[in-house]
Amino acid sequence: AQSVAQPEDQVNVAEGNPLTVKCTYSVSGNPYLFWYVQYPNRGLQFLLKYITGDNLVKGSYGFEAEFNKSQTSFHLKKPSALVSDSALYFCAVRDMVNYGQNFVFGPGTRLSVLP
Amino acid sequence: EPEVTQTPSHQVTQMGQEVILRCVPISNHLYFYWYRQILGQKVEFLVSFYNNEISEKSEIFDDQFSVERPDGSNFTLKIRSTKLEDSAMYFCASRDRENEKLFFGSGTQLSVL
Repeated sequence: AQSVAQPEDQVNVAEGNPLTVKCTYSVSGNPYLFWYVQYPNRGLQFLLKYITGDNLVKGSYGFEAEFNKSQTSFHLKKPSALVSDSALYFCAVRDMVNYGQNFVFGPGTRLSVLP
Repeated sequence: EPEVTQTPSHQVTQMGQEVILRCVPISNHLYFYWYRQILGQKVEFLVSFYNNEISEKSEIFDDQFSVERPDGSNFTLKIRSTKLEDSAMYFCASRDRENEKLFFGSGTQLSVL
């Protein structure tokens, strides 16, 4: 079965510092990997995706993520955090070979950027 | 940017009552989903829908749940006899054939009393 782990419930970072939100996944086939962000009282918004090609993908709002097949990881990064980046971040995976249309989401990591 | 629209934003119901949550996906999208989120935590897959039929469903999606696309625009989730544990935020999402990007609605907060 496909699954996603986000080992940190909460990440705190000072404004201007780099941030990393961690994600590891488990699939039996080839993964499609995603990051979504959720602001209070809103639905999830797409940030970026890895389908194939370059392991480093860039997305919205200056975020990027690196696909590491050997470590089955897809960590989200940003060089310089903003207070407005404070939100709930979800990693998601879709197993292209074995699990059809289902996107499986991780448990979420709450990012707090402190001024 | 196009939006997925969900109504109502809040629904309060008594245990055992039926509820229908409504969604209008983005017009040219072909794949439709329902997810739920309890207390702002984990986002749980319920069901996916494609070509007028369910393509996948989770263990949560038991006989009390059903989905319909009654016309070309609406996508509904029905819970026949609500339980207290059905209280959650329910999100509709859609995507097109080529793009793996899910578009989510703002959700319906369901409270079962």
